[in-house]
Amino acid sequence: NAGVTQTPKFRVLKTGQSMTLLCAQDMNHEYMYWYRQDPGMGLRLIHYSVGEGTTAKGEVPDGYNVSRLKKQNFLLGLESAAPSQTSVYFCASGVTTGVSNQPQHFGDGTRLSIL
Amino acid sequence: AQSVTQPDIHITVSEGASLELRCNYSYGATPYLFWYVQSPGQGLQLLLKYFSGDTLVQGIKGFEAEFKRSQSSFNLRKPSVHWSDAAEYFCAADSGGGADGLTFGKGTHLIIQP
Repeated sequence: NAGVTQTPKFRVLKTGQSMTLLCAQDMNHEYMYWYRQDPGMGLRLIHYSVGEGTTAKGEVPDGYNVSRLKKQNFLLGLESAAPSQTSVYFCASGVTTGVSNQPQHFGDGTRLSIL
Repeated sequence: AQSVTQPDIHITVSEGASLELRCNYSYGATPYLFWYVQSPGQGLQLLLKYFSGDTLVQGIKGFEAEFKRSQSSFNLRKPSVHWSDAAEYFCAADSGGGADGLTFGKGTHLIIQP
């Protein structure tokens, strides 16, 4: 199915380990986003990208890095995982509507636990 | 600071009854407004959006929302809910002018009673 694909779907890490979450979209969208979702907190933006080779910080960027080497992929890296990064991570993509650049398609999420 | 507030954490509605989910925003100027739905274990799906013009917006799955500037509200409504509407609903806002994503409310969990 076309859309946004996230891998892996589940992962358990130990404190201090590193890992990369992969997001791929096949809709040729310009904009891509990484959010985290925590109970009772809604979604909070970690990083986003407005095009290949560009990235920018969102609301909660600390402890994360991102890269957008190809237009269809947006990678989220945890340099040294901490228990506070236990969360569900969502990738999203979209195009500008000329008015708003909101994410239009979401992946199914990656559930990450840090022990 | 810009914010989106969903006052109800949980709402329980009987199947076939009408539904209204509340959303209030706090922005300097009227933002662009959105409602998303999240089914268990799934990502978010866009239900509808308001940019300007007609204050009553129609969306997918029989949902509609009404923008009220005087109340800084964008409430989601459905005349008759189905058991499949049980999900988490998020209101979100975009101040426009950039690609820095959305500000989300904390969500309302909708429970449907048979």
